[in-house]
Amino acid sequence: GQQVMQIPQYQHVQEGEDFTTYCNSSTTLSNIQWYKQRPGGHPVFLIQLVKSGEVKKQKRLTFQFGEAKKNSSLHITATQTTDVGTYFCAGSLSGSARQLTFGSGTQLTVLP
Amino acid sequence: ETGVTQSPTHLIKTRGQQVTLRCSSQSGHNTVSWYQQALGQGPQFIFQYYREEENGRGNFPPRFSGLQFPNYSSELNVNALELDDSALYLCASSLGFGSLGETQYFGPGTRLLVL
Repeated sequence: GQQVMQIPQYQHVQEGEDFTTYCNSSTTLSNIQWYKQRPGGHPVFLIQLVKSGEVKKQKRLTFQFGEAKKNSSLHITATQTTDVGTYFCAGSLSGSARQLTFGSGTQLTVLP
Repeated sequence: ETGVTQSPTHLIKTRGQQVTLRCSSQSGHNTVSWYQQALGQGPQFIFQYYREEENGRGNFPPRFSGLQFPNYSSELNVNALELDDSALYLCASSLGFGSLGETQYFGPGTRLLVL
């Protein structure tokens, strides 16, 4: 079945440092979404990427979708303590057999 | 606009019992998906309901079943509970006309513990 892998599993950074999480799919995706889950909370939608090579920015967050639509990344510039949480990518397959498959997430800790 | 709500927030059951979890979708959303999130893992898709019918299913056994009602609210039923069913159960609604992969708006979840 479809697999979505995320690395790293954990990342500790000093406040102000940058952070990147990577997402790789075993199959071509029709789109990819990113979610953030705060400790004890539920996933909250951040963004959706649809086009090959697409890049989107939200303030300090930059999202990329690979040319082959099999990988994606989320980069946070100058992390803040409010960025703490687990970041998940979630992809849906091209074609008829589509379901949203989540990666295992990257847990970000920001040290003040 | 009302967000996604779920009940109960926490539940403790014993192995072999049955459980029903409830979800009210966000106002205006006609599609509900259910996910299981084990500790330290990403949400795993259980199934989706659109217009009161199952619209897609993940790799879960038949003892996981669901319903969607005319007001788009939904139930997740799990029979013959196993210890591994202990997890956070998330309901998510979307306005996707039954299309899988649409933006999911998650509820706060029900934390189920099976002893």
